Amino acid sequence: LAKTTQPISMDSYEGQEVNITCSHNNIATNDYITWYQQFPSQGPRFIIQGYKTKVTNEVASLFIPADRKSSTLSLPRVSLSDTAVYYCLVGTGANNLFFGTGTRLTVIP
Amino acid sequence: DAGITQSPRHKVTETGTPVTLRCHQTENHRYMYWYRQDPGHGLRLIHYSYGVKDTDKGEVSDGYSVSRSKTEDFLLTLESATSSQTSVYFCAISESVAGARSSYNEQFFGPGTRLTVL
Repeated sequence: LAKTTQPISMDSYEGQEVNITCSHNNIATNDYITWYQQFPSQGPRFIIQGYKTKVTNEVASLFIPADRKSSTLSLPRVSLSDTAVYYCLVGTGANNLFFGTGTRLTVIP
Repeated sequence: DAGITQSPRHKVTETGTPVTLRCHQTENHRYMYWYRQDPGHGLRLIHYSYGVKDTDKGEVSDGYSVSRSKTEDFLLTLESATSSQTSVYFCAISESVAGARSSYNEQFFGPGTRLTVL
């Protein structure tokens, strides 16, 4: 399993851009990078997935450098409702994904 | 939201008793997964299924068995529950897996089952 390293927690003020970086030094050639969001008492929810360079959707952007050993999830203008745990996963296939403990983001008014 | 339900949502049982958790989907997705979530460990894969009667082990499969006799149902069984299996259990589904023909591998998660083994 490709392991990932993320900050345990982050705080941000409402309206700011938040960048969460994930380190995955042993990423394999076929591995994809996926981010999930989890609110208390709910299952995780898919945010974004990418393989290289930059991916953007309606809620976030994912930046992946050329060596792919790290990735950064960018959340534009966070609100209080973005307070959650964010997981970075690296892998491919059905049983090769490692959730880890994630990053607890707290958005402050 | 994806059509995934889990039953029961809460269960309290005693050590040594058998327990079965059910996951039901209405999306006709091929892949189904069972995870457990514990403080300090995040989510860990227990078992997964890649089709009817096709299942495989995950990271923490000891003490658990699964069955999938229909596309829509994936059962997780604890043959003899232990206190270490007290956890929140999540079922997930996906249409595909990353790396297999398509890069897209969004897993949709159910609401979870909180199991307490006394």
